[in-house]
Amino acid sequence: ETGVTQSPTHLIKTRGQQVTLRCSSQSGHNTVSWYQQALGQGPQFIFQYYREEENGRGNFPPRFSGLQFPNYSSELNVNALELDDSALYLCASSPRSGGPNNEQFFGPGTRLTVL
Amino acid sequence: AQKVTQAQTEISVVEKEDVTLDCVYETRDTTYYLFWYKQPPSGELVFLIRRNSFDEQNEISGRYSWNFQKSTSSFNFTITASQVVDSAVYFCALSEARRGGADGLTFGKGTHLIIQP
Repeated sequence: ETGVTQSPTHLIKTRGQQVTLRCSSQSGHNTVSWYQQALGQGPQFIFQYYREEENGRGNFPPRFSGLQFPNYSSELNVNALELDDSALYLCASSPRSGGPNNEQFFGPGTRLTVL
Repeated sequence: AQKVTQAQTEISVVEKEDVTLDCVYETRDTTYYLFWYKQPPSGELVFLIRRNSFDEQNEISGRYSWNFQKSTSSFNFTITASQVVDSAVYFCALSEARRGGADGLTFGKGTHLIIQP
């Protein structure tokens, strides 16, 4: 069984640019959530995708957007990058059946640095 | 609004000592779920335990144990006879049942545990 994978591992961008991060969910999981983890902080929920639609969103501006594909993989897009967007971006997948009590399986993350 | 507080930013103990990581949560829901995750230096979050709000039984798994007390809104984590491999950042997290978990997990800021040999 393949776990959650994310690409790329590291990324360096310049302020104002756009970035796309990718996530492949664990086999059998149809829900994907994205989190932003700033240095020394806990992960913060960005949004969740289920059946290719965003069904939950945290306190992040619209320049953070996402997609989920029929194979349940997902993308996180960030436009007009700001210095504060520098963080570890974590993707987590979960089976939908149990709702909030399902543990979320996290990927290794993408480290984004904005200069 | 839901909130998780981990007041201990960093704890350092010598190997084989017992250590307890504190977690206090706030929620208006009567049905919710609490989690502990471990984050080693590699960065990947590793699931340790899940507890629902109706189950206050303490749980023990090897050297790990968890104490859930609704009366004090706490969900503390104890490592007995700590080992160097336990060194990591530990996060407590909360998920409310309303909206079927679509609001994701709310994490605390984490406790950096250092086990010295």
